[in-house]
Amino acid sequence: TQLLEQSPQFLSIQEGENLTVYCNSSSVFSSLQWYRQEPGEGPVLLVTVVTGGEVKKLKRLTFQFGDARKDSSLHITAAQTGDTGLYLCAGHNNFGNEKLTFGTGTRLTIIP
Amino acid sequence: KAGVTQTPRYLIKTRGQQVTLSCSPISGHRSVSWYQQTPGQGLQFLFEYFSETQRNKGNFPGRFSGRQFSNSRSEMNVSTLELGDSALYLCASSLVSKLTEAFFGQGTRLTVV
Repeated sequence: TQLLEQSPQFLSIQEGENLTVYCNSSSVFSSLQWYRQEPGEGPVLLVTVVTGGEVKKLKRLTFQFGDARKDSSLHITAAQTGDTGLYLCAGHNNFGNEKLTFGTGTRLTIIP
Repeated sequence: KAGVTQTPRYLIKTRGQQVTLSCSPISGHRSVSWYQQTPGQGLQFLFEYFSETQRNKGNFPGRFSGRQFSNSRSEMNVSTLELGDSALYLCASSLVSKLTEAFFGQGTRLTVV
């Protein structure tokens, strides 16, 4: 069974601060995605990373895929209240079982 | 284009009853997956359908079942409801056979009393 552990589980910081969320697994994934989910809504895809060591930037968000494709991180610079939400990483593999495996989630609260 | 549509948005059922939830994927998407989301367990994979065939299945009891129609619309059914089945049920659709990018609906909030 592939498991994706996210840390921290909960994070509450002041607006303007920086933060990093981690997603770790003992399994290799062919690609990894990050989603953000707001209350009452389904998760919305933020980014997909495919290559080991890949770094993608989305405005104030920086996503990194580990060299071994087993872990990923999400860094937010100068957090804003609109960043509040549940952040989920999800790994996909094409080694026969093609379903997405979701991480345990990080609930982020940005305090104004 | 229209997103993934799930109906109903909210549902209250009594223990022992059964329920059917519906999901209409994005036009052209042939893969539909279902997830159960609870505060304690997070997002748990139920099953995936592609071209009317169940391709993957999670670790849920047989009370949870699903199907997909020729137009890619999908339904999931839960029989003999238990209190622990209360959750947000999410449907996700994907364009091709590999689940490389999932587009989620808003979910159906099921409450079992």
